[in-house]
Amino acid sequence: DAGVIQSPRHEVTEMGQEVTLRCKPISGHDYLFWYRQTMMRGLELLIYFNNNVPIDDSGMPEDRFSAKMPNASFSTLKIQPSEPRDSAVYFCASSPQGAGTEAFFGQGTRLTVV
Amino acid sequence: GEDVEQSLFLSVREGDSSVINCTYTDSSSTYLYWYKQEPGAGLQLLTYIFSNMDMKQDQRLTVLLNKKDKHLSLRIADTQTGDSAIYFCAETFRGALTFGSGTRLQVQP
Repeated sequence: DAGVIQSPRHEVTEMGQEVTLRCKPISGHDYLFWYRQTMMRGLELLIYFNNNVPIDDSGMPEDRFSAKMPNASFSTLKIQPSEPRDSAVYFCASSPQGAGTEAFFGQGTRLTVV
Repeated sequence: GEDVEQSLFLSVREGDSSVINCTYTDSSSTYLYWYKQEPGAGLQLLTYIFSNMDMKQDQRLTVLLNKKDKHLSLRIADTQTGDSAIYFCAETFRGALTFGSGTRLQVQP
């Protein structure tokens, strides 16, 4: 398996634009997590899904952020409209059985909003 | 949310042992984890310990758990320059991993 695949690897966008980050989890993994990493706040859990259903979205910072998982092999994290403070590295991770088992991370998407 | 705290930076010489410390708050975590992040990459699981264990050894890695004090440590024996990275401890909270701030380990030749 190629591991968790995220795209794009880098994204530079202007403030106010819509940004969509994409993730393909490892096949057979029932859990998918979106994290955000910044220098100031470290790694923050934004949302996670179990069997394509959002379980906990309490980490989503505000209504500008939305995440979907239309099927077991694809998830998106959308920011609309984007702001400079959204600049961060966004990681997607998947695991076979959720907390208590290993989470496999993608390479991340580095987002810069100017 | 739950707090997981780590010191931010550690510098050691090649061949020495490194000890990275972590304190956590959720005593109900079944497992506690150590992840490693190399520059420009995602996190990779290094090792984990079941909460009813005091110690786990895995080659150069030794994990110590003090449940009473909610203290976790990772010891790396014979530290190599390739061990330079950021190390995160993590606990489970509400079904997902909560990470510490990460400790940047710098290994000097």
